[in-house]
Amino acid sequence: GNSVTQMEGPVTLSEEAFLTINCTYTATGYPSLFWYVQYPGEGLQLLLKATKADDKGSNKGFEATYRKETTSFHLEKGSVQVSDSAVYFCASPQRRDDKIIFGKGTRLHILP
Amino acid sequence: DTGVSQNPRHKITKRGQNVTFRCDPISEHNRLYWYRQTLGQGPEFLTYFQNEAQLEKSRLLSDRFSAERPKGSFSTLEIQRTEQGDSAMYLCASSLLPAQETQYFGPGTRLLVL
Repeated sequence: GNSVTQMEGPVTLSEEAFLTINCTYTATGYPSLFWYVQYPGEGLQLLLKATKADDKGSNKGFEATYRKETTSFHLEKGSVQVSDSAVYFCASPQRRDDKIIFGKGTRLHILP
Repeated sequence: DTGVSQNPRHKITKRGQNVTFRCDPISEHNRLYWYRQTLGQGPEFLTYFQNEAQLEKSRLLSDRFSAERPKGSFSTLEIQRTEQGDSAMYLCASSLLPAQETQYFGPGTRLLVL
């Protein structure tokens, strides 16, 4: 089945810094890829997704490009804010239309 | 569209007691999933339903766990004879297939077993 591996945290940055959180996947075929975010005390929210190779997902200033050559889906943001402090999960369905397999999560702290 | 709701949000119980959690999915979503999340880890799949049919159960779901979705709408997850290792956040998600595969998550129920 599919799996995802993401960089371990915590990641601590100053406000307005550039953010990259790495995620790589192993899969048969080309499954959809997701980034979910979990703010303190809240449930998971879908941040962005890409459904096929070379797609770019974007939302709230975050971007991630589905790169089949490097089997990666790295999350990037050009200028982070304190309000971006959260845990970020890279994820992919086990198979099409199936349960989601999550990475272990990367905790992000943004300092003012 | 009111989102996925879960009740209760928090539950503290003593070891050996039974607990039941409820999930109300987004209306008309035919898929409903249960996941468990422990501290510092990503959510792990437990089971899912398509309408009222339970289609898959994880090996994580011991025989003390049972889930139902009797009318294809809300779902309940019961844990019998709770153990301290059951302490976790229990997450519910729903989706509408085949129209979309995105799963929408509820806020979760945090269980603490003393």
